Amino acid sequence: GAGVSQSPSNKVTEKGKDVELRCDPISGHTALYWYRQSLGQGLEFLIYFQGNSAPDKSGLPSDRFSAERTGGSVSTLTIQRTQQEDSAVYLCASSLARSRGQFFGPGTRLTVL
Amino acid sequence: AQSVTQLDSQVPVFEEAPVELRCNYSSSVSVYLFWYVQYPNQGLQLLLKYLSGSTLVKGINGFEAEFNKSQTSFHLRKPSVHISDTAEYFCAVSGSGGGGNKLTFGTGTQLKVEL
Repeated sequence: GAGVSQSPSNKVTEKGKDVELRCDPISGHTALYWYRQSLGQGLEFLIYFQGNSAPDKSGLPSDRFSAERTGGSVSTLTIQRTQQEDSAVYLCASSLARSRGQFFGPGTRLTVL
Repeated sequence: AQSVTQLDSQVPVFEEAPVELRCNYSSSVSVYLFWYVQYPNQGLQLLLKYLSGSTLVKGINGFEAEFNKSQTSFHLRKPSVHISDTAEYFCAVSGSGGGGNKLTFGTGTQLKVEL
């Protein structure tokens, strides 16, 4: 079956612009995660959605970052007023249950000039 | 809170030789443990996981890992590597109880298989 998909695969933007990154999880997976992978910080958790529960936003680095998940499926990560330190690969993952592991998409490479 | 340490940032090995990638974790609660592989310009692929029970777990591509609770380790092994195993390998941990669904990753080990 189809895996996790993310779009765009690459995004180049200018400092100060807003960007939206999209994630389509595996059908039927109730949990959705966003992570960030950068050279300096490695793989960092950003936010987690589980069904209709309030999201765990504990990993968001600043209030410029937000995410939503509509209809329990597609998720959008929004970064407002982008900064150069936001440059990274943003990875989305989905899961049916914690014990089954998380399945990752190919990522969106964000470059802020 | 959990943390993961992968002491080896790079491991060079010749093709058909055995390899071990080390992972140690720290946690105040019971955990699930995972190994992921990342090929260049791709996302993370789940290699194997430890949930409970047998401490030796087998994964895809001939990899296996052994959970050692007393040493808080979860080292990844393969008896004979192939050139196609060249990739970055990440060890990760999540809490197994209520809450704590996020994965905490180690810094990764770059495995380079040489002819």
